[in-house]
Amino acid sequence: AQSVTQLGSHVSVSEGALVLLRCNYSSSVPPYLFWYVQYPNQGLQLLLKYTTGATLVKGINGFEAEFKKSETSFHLTKPSAHMSDAAEYFCSNAGGTSYGKLTFGQGTILTVHP
Amino acid sequence: EPEVTQTPSHQVTQMGQEVILRCVPISNHLYFYWYRQILGQKVEFLVSFYNNEISEKSEIFDDQFSVERPDGSNFTLKIRSTKLEDSAMYFCASMGEETQYFGPGTRLLVL
Repeated sequence: AQSVTQLGSHVSVSEGALVLLRCNYSSSVPPYLFWYVQYPNQGLQLLLKYTTGATLVKGINGFEAEFKKSETSFHLTKPSAHMSDAAEYFCSNAGGTSYGKLTFGQGTILTVHP
Repeated sequence: EPEVTQTPSHQVTQMGQEVILRCVPISNHLYFYWYRQILGQKVEFLVSFYNNEISEKSEIFDDQFSVERPDGSNFTLKIRSTKLEDSAMYFCASMGEETQYFGPGTRLLVL
């Protein structure tokens, strides 16, 4: 069985500040991990993914995430927040296969203040 | 850039009515999925579909739900007799390059 936990349902940062959105997973098989972003009234857009290989993955819009097996974490970061980053972010795990069902965290709403 | 499309964007229906949600996956993808998101809750997996049959389904996906790929392009989710608790955003996804690509969703409201 798999689960994904996102710590903090709401995160608020100032424009230009570091963004850190936390994600922890549990999985009985090697995880396939994804971060998706959802802007208001839109669908889920892929930010980045970890399947195998390099544990630091870079995505769109300056985001990156690091897979840490020892900590069962896949936290999302961005060095400098922009107003356009305000959205809801979802961490998910496909658990062992790329075509498996995604198990989602509860989502984190990011607010960026001027 | 290819994308997953869904119709309608919004649907309002009366309890007990049948609804069909439609999706057009990305053309060369082979795996298809339906998820839903009840307001304020997590995105939940409903069903996956491959090679014209269901490959996995969740406990939510009971006999009231069915999926079909009626032709080479469409992928549909049917709810036979809608309940109030079926009100949610329904997302279709298709898989390519080890990634599931999501459509914009259909917001279903059951009255």
